[in-house]
Amino acid sequence: KAGVTQTPRYLIKTRGQQVTLSCSPISGHRSVSWYQQTPGQGLQFLFEYFSETQRNKGNFPGRFSGRQFSNSRSEMNVSTLELGDSALYLCASSSTGGNSYEQYFGPGTRLTVT
Amino acid sequence: TQLLEQSPQFLSIQEGENLTVYCNSSSVFSSLQWYRQEPGEGPVLLVTVVTGGEVKKLKRLTFQFGDARKDSSLHITAAQPGDTGLYLCAGWGESNYQLIWGAGTKLIIKP
Repeated sequence: KAGVTQTPRYLIKTRGQQVTLSCSPISGHRSVSWYQQTPGQGLQFLFEYFSETQRNKGNFPGRFSGRQFSNSRSEMNVSTLELGDSALYLCASSSTGGNSYEQYFGPGTRLTVT
Repeated sequence: TQLLEQSPQFLSIQEGENLTVYCNSSSVFSSLQWYRQEPGEGPVLLVTVVTGGEVKKLKRLTFQFGDARKDSSLHITAAQPGDTGLYLCAGWGESNYQLIWGAGTKLIIKP
C-alpha cells in the first residue's frame, strides 16, 4: 500500500505571496491532519479533515486554510506569507480520524519564505 | 490546555550505552504515542500505549505508560547509531480530536 505523499517537497516563496500544498493520504484513509513543524515551536496542529469536513482546528490565523476532496486528498493554503511561516508542513492520514490510535505521516513540504 | 514535556531535549551518548527519555504531563491522556523522525522525513509511529502501567517492548526499545496515564518513558538498551533521530511523544486527549505533541528529544548515538 502506498504511503502518504506530499507535493511539492520543497518550495521557496516571497513574503506576501500565497502557497498551496497538497497531500494524498493512504488509500482508504478518510482523515487528513496538517501540522507545522519548526525548530522553535515543534509540531503544531493546524487542522484535521474527515470526509471533506473540517473536524478540528488548531490556533493558527485565518491565513491558513484547507480543504479535502471526495477522494480524501487534501490541500492547505497559506495566504499573505510571512517570514515566520517558513517551516516543514506535514500531513498525516488515518483510517478513522478523531481519536485514532495511528497516524501515518508524509515526508513533508519544506516551505521557505524570503 | 494539555501539555507534554519531554526531557532531555538533547542527548548524545556512545554506542552501547543505555538511555531513558521522559514524557510528562499534569493531564490525563487516553493514549500516548512515541514517534521517531529522521531529518527531512515525517515522524514514524513506534508504539501506542493505552492502559495505565502498560509496558511494550520493541526490540531494544521499552515503552512504559504511567499508572495514572499522565506520563510515559522510552528506554533504549545498548543504543546503536541507527537509533539516532528525533523522538517525539504525543498524546490523545480524553475529549478532543487532536494529538498533543511534546517538543522532542534529539538523540545522537556516536559509534
